[in-house]
Amino acid sequence: EAGVAQSPRYKIIEKRQSVAFWCNPISGHATLYWYQQILGQGPKLLIQFQNNGVVDDSQLPKDRFSAERLKGVDSTLKIQPAKLEDSAVYLCASSFPPNSDSNTEAFFGQGTRLTVV
Amino acid sequence: AQTVTQSQPEMSVQEAETVTLSCTYDTSENNYYLFWYKQPPSRQMILVIRQEAYKQQNATENRFSVNFQKAAKSFSLKISDSQLGDTAMYFCAFTPIGDDKIIFGKGTRLHILP
Repeated sequence: EAGVAQSPRYKIIEKRQSVAFWCNPISGHATLYWYQQILGQGPKLLIQFQNNGVVDDSQLPKDRFSAERLKGVDSTLKIQPAKLEDSAVYLCASSFPPNSDSNTEAFFGQGTRLTVV
Repeated sequence: AQTVTQSQPEMSVQEAETVTLSCTYDTSENNYYLFWYKQPPSRQMILVIRQEAYKQQNATENRFSVNFQKAAKSFSLKISDSQLGDTAMYFCAFTPIGDDKIIFGKGTRLHILP
């Protein structure tokens, strides 16, 4: 089966510019996550969707970050305006919804490495 | 708060040796899953092994096995006969059953030396 697809793989922007990342989850996975992974650290959850609804966005810096998941499939994550500290790898992951028998694993994309200069 | 702690930022072992990566976690939940993920330089997070907290038997996947101590909230990963391809970041992670929030540790960078 196809995995989680993300694009672009790399992006370099200047501070105060805007950027958008795209994610296509595994078919049938209702849950979609966006993680931020700063160099040398573990992934930090930014936002979690269940179908097209937001389950958890408590750690999303809402003054500059936004995300949407129209039609409950693909998702985009946007940063506007970007800051130097936003330099990180942005990982998208998907899984079956909770309470399903298959809810034991999240599948990750290869991530987008963002460099803000 | 639920937390995952990996106390070894970096480790190096010779090829073919056995290495153990440590992980402790804190939760008030009784039922949950524990995972070890591998992240090679390609950045793709790959599930290595998972353990259901209600199972007493330690999970094993080929050269990878865990030592799960529920009372101590400890979940270490043992890699036997280590190979150069095992070089990667390893993340311990936790998910309560019925919830799909995944909480990650900070990772251990493992180097397998030829």
